[in-house]
Amino acid sequence: DAGVIQSPRHEVTEMGQEVTLRCKPISGHNSLFWYRQTMMRGLELLIYFNNNVPIDDSGMPEDRFSAKMPNASFSTLKIQPSEPRDSAVYFCASRPTSSYNEQFFGPGTRLTVL
Amino acid sequence: KQEVTQIPAALSVPEGENLVLNCSFTDSAIYNLQWFRQDPGKGLTSLLLIQSSQREQTSGRLNASLDKSSGRSTLYIAASQPGDSATYLCAVEESSGSRLTFGEGTQLTVNP
Repeated sequence: DAGVIQSPRHEVTEMGQEVTLRCKPISGHNSLFWYRQTMMRGLELLIYFNNNVPIDDSGMPEDRFSAKMPNASFSTLKIQPSEPRDSAVYFCASRPTSSYNEQFFGPGTRLTVL
Repeated sequence: KQEVTQIPAALSVPEGENLVLNCSFTDSAIYNLQWFRQDPGKGLTSLLLIQSSQREQTSGRLNASLDKSSGRSTLYIAASQPGDSATYLCAVEESSGSRLTFGEGTQLTVNP
């Protein structure tokens, strides 16, 4: 298995532009998580899905952020409009439905908003 | 609100030394606890997961313990190697299928 796949790996954009981050979870995993990592705040959960349904989006910072999971093999995290304070590394993780299994992380997308 | 703290924030040791990383959490009603490793510029790699009913887990030179009642976990690394240099994070899951709350990590450097 290729593991969790994220694209792009790096994104540089200008303030005000729309940014879309993509994630392909491990096949057969039914839970998907989006995290953000910054020096100031560490690793924070933004949103997670079980069986394609958003369960907890309380970590989404504001309405500029939205996430979708149209099917079991794909998810997007969109920021519109982007701001410099959104600069961070965004990780996607997946896990099987079994409660005792660990989460598997993708390599992350490093986002820089100028 | 669950809070996870890791001590120390950074640690530098000579190769071959045994070491302990500490993790504490404020709400002892956790479902499981997971230790991760993060290399610079990379994602997180799961090292060990301890279920709430367990006391410890071992994988190679790594041993993680869990004391729910005191809200503590330790990661023991035996015979450290330069390749162990990385940031180690612990995270707790409060209920089945819920969010992970992460500590800020311990940055470990093992000097040859």
